[in-house]
Amino acid sequence: QVQLQESGPGLVKPSQTLSLTCTVSGGSISSGGYFWSWIRQHPGKGLEWIGYIYSSGSTYYNPSLKSRVTISVDTSKNQFYLKLKYATAADTAVYYCASYCSSTTCYANLDAFDIWGQGTMVTVSS
Amino acid sequence: DTQMIQSPSSLSASVGDRVTITCRASESVNSYLNWYQQKPGKAPKLLIYGASSLQRGVPSRFSGSGSGTDFTLIISSLQLEDFATYYCQQSYSPPRTFGQGTKLEIK
Repeated sequence: QVQLQESGPGLVKPSQTLSLTCTVSGGSISSGGYFWSWIRQHPGKGLEWIGYIYSSGSTYYNPSLKSRVTISVDTSKNQFYLKLKYATAADTAVYYCASYCSSTTCYANLDAFDIWGQGTMVTVSS
Repeated sequence: DTQMIQSPSSLSASVGDRVTITCRASESVNSYLNWYQQKPGKAPKLLIYGASSLQRGVPSRFSGSGSGTDFTLIISSLQLEDFATYYCQQSYSPPRTFGQGTKLEIK
């Protein structure tokens, strides 16, 4: 059973880069046809899709964050990453990594976020 | 971006009640509509995909319907473990967008 686990600093200073890692266990990040995703949730608020990456390296970002976001993957480590530049207090949120099963690439044909990490709280503050 | 609007934003109900939550998209999303359940301090869990398909392991008291712009999540007989926040999400066009959530509370 595939599991996802986020890791990274819980506190980031304003204007610095927020960096998180998602480790995939129980399966290969290169197989299954998944897009590996980052989603965040501001305190007490709804969910915001940040972007995702395919194992080939193709990336898709939310236009609202595109200028500051980089998602990358290291298939040898079975990990993918989020970097968000120029962090501000507005980036304070719980960050989730999740797998997105697309009908164009994934056998299960879900077009949905089917497996989620437990989430990690990141606070941007001096 | 396709905006997803859920109603109601909050709802009080009792165990055994039938509950309906609606989600409206600002433009057609065909049947690319998913529903998630989130409990406090936990990650969202996929319940329904493709507007009406039940994810593996999800109890059959959950059902979904709709297409185009209007969708419904129904819980046929509420159980204690169903009190949570529910989100719809569209996968028709980028960026992927979620509704604001419906908080289901015990009456």
